[in-house]
Amino acid sequence: TQLLEQSPQFLSIQEGENLTVYCNSSSVFSSLQWYRQEPGEGPVLLVTVVTGGEVKKLKRLTFQFGDARKDSSLHITAAQPGDTGLYLCAGRGGGADGLTFGKGTHLIIQP
Amino acid sequence: KAGVTQTPRYLIKTRGQQVTLSCSPISGHRSVSWYQQTPGQGLQFLFEYFSETQRNKGNFPGRFSGRQFSNSRSEMNVSTLELGDSALYLCASSPAGDRGNSPLHFGNGTRLTVT
Repeated sequence: TQLLEQSPQFLSIQEGENLTVYCNSSSVFSSLQWYRQEPGEGPVLLVTVVTGGEVKKLKRLTFQFGDARKDSSLHITAAQPGDTGLYLCAGRGGGADGLTFGKGTHLIIQP
Repeated sequence: KAGVTQTPRYLIKTRGQQVTLSCSPISGHRSVSWYQQTPGQGLQFLFEYFSETQRNKGNFPGRFSGRQFSNSRSEMNVSTLELGDSALYLCASSPAGDRGNSPLHFGNGTRLTVT
């Protein structure tokens, strides 16, 4: 059973479009992190959200933590080819040891 | 500041053999975690070491083991390799690990192929 479900699994859009990636769970997490991974490299942290309802912005990326701390979303405005990568959400807590990762969203931004 | 270094980058082994992977964390980081990444299962937590002690362990068989040295460097060992062990093995370091919300700093992984 996957504690964190990410959707969509794959997304290919044109440069300039907006998109939202979702991370859902039936478990409550004390915090949630978003990472981006590029081919041949390890994941790199984008943001950590810890408070229910929290919204954080990182340039064109907006991250939201659900009020009940069971879900999160990542919204990208005016996507660029450099945004291409595997986006992973990861929750701490939820009844599991270590950081629990979703399977990720493979995002491709076509020029 | 140097990042997390994993060696080797690529490894090919035969079923039944054993393998040891190495990870050097960022200087000053005392926590080292190991993850297995496969296309089907994504990233799965193997174990975490903090100050030479295993602090947490994921749901992997006993063939997977690890240790941490006094300089925080860590090794992971897989014995009696199976085809299903083929994966990218990622090491991550952090100052506090599973305590608090410290971000994980990942290495670029070791790609293990079992034939």
